[in-house]
Amino acid sequence: DVKVTQSSRYLVKRTGEKVFLECVQDMDHENMFWYRQDPGLGLRLIYFSYDVKMKEKGDIPEGYSVSREKKERFSLILESASTNQTSMYLCASSKGGTVNTEAFFGQGTRLTVV
Amino acid sequence: AQSVTQLGSHVSVSEGALVLLRCNYSSSVPPYLFWYVQYPNQGLQLLLKYTTGATLVKGINGFEAEFKKSETSFHLTKPSAHMSDAAEYFCAVSPMNSGYSTLTFGKGTMLLVSP
Repeated sequence: DVKVTQSSRYLVKRTGEKVFLECVQDMDHENMFWYRQDPGLGLRLIYFSYDVKMKEKGDIPEGYSVSREKKERFSLILESASTNQTSMYLCASSKGGTVNTEAFFGQGTRLTVV
Repeated sequence: AQSVTQLGSHVSVSEGALVLLRCNYSSSVPPYLFWYVQYPNQGLQLLLKYTTGATLVKGINGFEAEFKKSETSFHLTKPSAHMSDAAEYFCAVSPMNSGYSTLTFGKGTMLLVSP
């Protein structure tokens, strides 16, 4: 069974804290993604990575950074958490190339910043 | 550039009735198209996808969708709704021949199924 695992289902952090959200996939996928999901807004792409140590900004990268030191792991970093970053965060991965672009999603991390 | 419009943030049907969830897309290049489903407090699960070939695509749980290029649409249907179909559904588009497969999602449609 393919699997994308996010380290936490629920997190509560204080304003100004540095927050790490971790994601691991076991499918040897080249591509990994971080999305943010908010009611009425759908999913919005924060960052993605198509190879180790490579990263690309998505639609809403402000206030976030990412790290991909190993192929299977993709971390989302909130440098200084703010209340407007309270949201559901979804990690996804997909195989590189042009034939199969299906993305597999983790269960999500619901982050609350107080 | 791509975008997805899902008509109706909420759709209500009775059990046994036809389900129709609408999706229109805009893409500057030929698209791949997807429908994902999200059950409460879960991640997204792929229902079906259109890449190339047959424009009528069948997915899991009895869902199907038809790619209509002339209408830039990819509507999701199911002949008979079941209570277990209650969930949020997302339409997404990805540019063909993109190795990155970045998905652009619609805002989602919540399907409510009543007995």
